[in-house]
Amino acid sequence: AQTVTQSQPEMSVQEAETVTLSCTYDTSESDYYLFWYKQPPSRQMILVIRQEAYKQQNATENRFSVNFQKAAKSFSLKISDSQLGDAAMYFCAYRSTNFGNEKLTFGTGTRLTIIP
Amino acid sequence: SQTIHQWPATLVQPVGSPLSLECTVEGTSNPNLYWYRQAAGRGLQLLFYSVGIGQISSEVPQNLSASRPQDRQFILSSKKLLLSDSGFYLCAWSVIQGTHETQYFGPGTRLLVL
Repeated sequence: AQTVTQSQPEMSVQEAETVTLSCTYDTSESDYYLFWYKQPPSRQMILVIRQEAYKQQNATENRFSVNFQKAAKSFSLKISDSQLGDAAMYFCAYRSTNFGNEKLTFGTGTRLTIIP
Repeated sequence: SQTIHQWPATLVQPVGSPLSLECTVEGTSNPNLYWYRQAAGRGLQLLFYSVGIGQISSEVPQNLSASRPQDRQFILSSKKLLLSDSGFYLCAWSVIQGTHETQYFGPGTRLLVL
């Protein structure tokens, strides 16, 4: 079974600075998807970014980018120019590409605080 | 565009009472549907998922059940709630396009069992 580990329960960053959230995972599969979701105080889960394991190029979405290290099974999220609206819980998630196993496996989350 | 609705937004129920949470999706056909639970301060746990009408897969044995009476409707139920059923329940949908699939979440239902 796959597992996802987020070793930083809490992180804080000064507004406009850059912060990196860590995520590692364990799998025996060679092809899969990885996601970062944001959960603001409203508690709705919002997709931030996704990465296909077969792609070597790191995904980017505006101020959000990932550092995907497949061999190390690491998938960190970098937030540049942090804004107050970035304050939230961030969850890393894994999904198999195998048919019939489409569920997401989540990490325990990292609470990000933005310091004005 | 696709939207996903959940209701109620908040629910307070006594132990032993029944439960029915509803999730509906608009703007898409034949989506995969999921029910997750998030206990306080923890990550998400998949409870059920469905790839079609009447097709339900259970991930965790418990006193909850799920049904999909219509293509875009997913219902989470219980005959008798337990204190441990308290939590935040999230419904999600996805559509598989080739090998691509991304799950999108609804606004959630906060359930407190007293």
